[in-house]
Order: sequence, then structure tokens, then C-alpha cells
Amino acid sequence: EVQLLESGGGLVQPAGSLRLSCAASGFTFSSYAMSWVRQAPGKGLEWVSVKSGSGDTTYYADSVKGRFTISRDNSKNTLYLQMNSLRAEDTALYYCAKASSVGATIAVAFDVWGQGTMVTVSS
Amino acid sequence: QSALTQPASVSGSPGQSITISCTGTSSDVGDYNYVSWYQQHPAKAPKLMIYEVTNRPPGVSNRFSGSKSGNTASLTISGLQADDEADYYCSSYTSSITLVFGGGTKLTVL
Repeated sequence: EVQLLESGGGLVQPAGSLRLSCAASGFTFSSYAMSWVRQAPGKGLEWVSVKSGSGDTTYYADSVKGRFTISRDNSKNTLYLQMNSLRAEDTALYYCAKASSVGATIAVAFDVWGQGTMVTVSS
Repeated sequence: QSALTQPASVSGSPGQSITISCTGTSSDVGDYNYVSWYQQHPAKAPKLMIYEVTNRPPGVSNRFSGSKSGNTASLTISGLQADDEADYYCSSYTSSITLVFGGGTKLTVL
């Protein structure tokens, strides 16, 4: 069964840092671009970042550029999101999502989503 | 990158058809056939319903169909069922090599 399991969320103070992880199973992880997508409480979806399957291509939303870093360890089938200089507006449920097309450099559609991990930025 | 524009809500009765619009610009929806649609039930993760404007993933009912004209994409659900009641989001690839989502549409089945 194809599965994504996020972890690492929690309560953090403004300007603080947090590292999210997404453990993948059931598919050839290195063959797929992976993304983080977030959803603030009661709000819509917001794309955050993407990492190609090989790990050599990365893109970020303007709202997180310079503060967040996406990475992956294909030997561990795990995607990460290092979040620094956190702000109240970063409070959201963070989803890990798998690209629907094998071999694509970036993900334009997501066919598998995790259950999400909640990040709350508050003093 | 501004969010794509969707109606906040739509409604229909069981058996009817509804259409949800998703309006972008010539830098996203209008220039790429990379529009996707997601269904999200309360407290659940999104589910891919349509990708590349018109394609349905395996297992998605053929009651769901997608189309595009100019800068506006549309999702049509025919033969509405109670379980179709959910939030629906469109997304598009953009010229900035990013992805943008719509604000979401709440579908109510009367």
C-alpha cells in the first residue's frame, strides 16, 4: 500500500524552528517528485515547496522562500521540511504529497497525500 | 502568485449536475494544461479527482469531468450523490515554476 506519514509538528514560538519529516512506503520513492502543501485552520490549500526525485531540483513558494528548506533522503525514503524564522501565518496543517507522474522534475498533480502534521506558531 | 478564483459555494440536488469554475491568468491556467482538481471531505486529506485538465485517476467515478477554456477551468459533477458533498480545490502549474491553488468551493448536496 502506498503511504505517506508526516511527523514533527508541534507548538513553536515566533522566530523559532521546526523540522518536519515524511516517511514514504509502497512505491519507488526516488522516482517521484515530492511536495509539501499546507492548510491553515479553516482555510484553503497552499503549495509550499517541491523536490525532484533525484533531489537536484527545488522550488519554493514566495511566502516561504529563504526561510524553509526542503530536502530528501532517498536511502531512507523520507522527505523533510526545515522551517526557520517561523511566523504566526505559518500556522497550518502540513501535508506531504507525491507527484502523480513518475520521473517528472516537479509535481503538477498529487495522487497520494499523508494525513498531515500540525504546526502552530504562537507565543 | 495570486490564488486561482473559485466560487465560495455551489449547491445541487441529488441526480443533478453542477459545475465549479476556476479562473486564473495567461501565466497559469491559460498557458498550461496542468490543471488538477481535488476533493476534500472534512478532516480528511485531499483526493485527486482530475489531472491535466481532463484526466481521471484510476478509481475516480466518470461522473467527474474536467475542461478548460482560455483562463478558466471547470469541474463538472453529474448525477450528484450525497457523498459528493465536500470542498473542491483546483490547482495549476504557473510560469514561475510553482503551483497555485484556488480558494476552494464548498459543494452542498441539498
